Amino acid sequence: EADIYQIPRYLVIGTGKKITLECSQTMGHDKMYWYQQDPGMELHLIHYSYGVNSTEKGDLSSESTVSRIRTEHFPLTLESARPSHTSQYLCASSPSETDGNQPQHFGDGTRLSIL
Amino acid sequence: KNQVEQSPQSLIILEGKNCTLQCNYTVSPFSNLRWYKQDTGRGPVSLTIMTFSENTKSNGRYTATLDADTKQSSLHITASQLSDSASYICVVSDRGSTLGRLYFGRGTQLTVWP
Repeated sequence: EADIYQIPRYLVIGTGKKITLECSQTMGHDKMYWYQQDPGMELHLIHYSYGVNSTEKGDLSSESTVSRIRTEHFPLTLESARPSHTSQYLCASSPSETDGNQPQHFGDGTRLSIL
Repeated sequence: KNQVEQSPQSLIILEGKNCTLQCNYTVSPFSNLRWYKQDTGRGPVSLTIMTFSENTKSNGRYTATLDADTKQSSLHITASQLSDSASYICVVSDRGSTLGRLYFGRGTQLTVWP
């Protein structure tokens, strides 16, 4: 089993609150990712990182921000939550490799509901 | 437009039966194709990864095939078990960037009944 953890698993919170979703991995992977997944839909990449102090926006526009101060930690922050942010957020990591044929290891996700 | 299409959208089978899930893609260039299993409320877990030169790969009761010429893949599940109930996601990676961009299908929701 992959050692990647997301906290909290579930969060119900009111509009306008600041939220930080935690993601940590103990595998020493350089690459980390945040995806957004709605029921019955494909995963959409919202942020990724190649390593410490590296962060990039993904394919799906997102009002969230990320940071990568430590290799093992990749938190995602929403400064002011809105109902449109209600979704499942999945964190993933993968090792640096030259052939690109390594699987991503996923956490179990944070299911976020904004009231 | 790079896309990954999966069929069927959902499938119900009886325990012990076999089934085959399909994945068609238009992603180019092509690096590899992955099948993931996602249990309800959990993150996806990798089942197989196949590169251009591989046309079949097995992981226990799961066997994936790849036809890179027709851009089709299938996931065959043998002697299904109740624990196979999950969403099965096909993911294709291109070589277009250092990141090796991933294109996700919407998944096939498999339900195994006793």
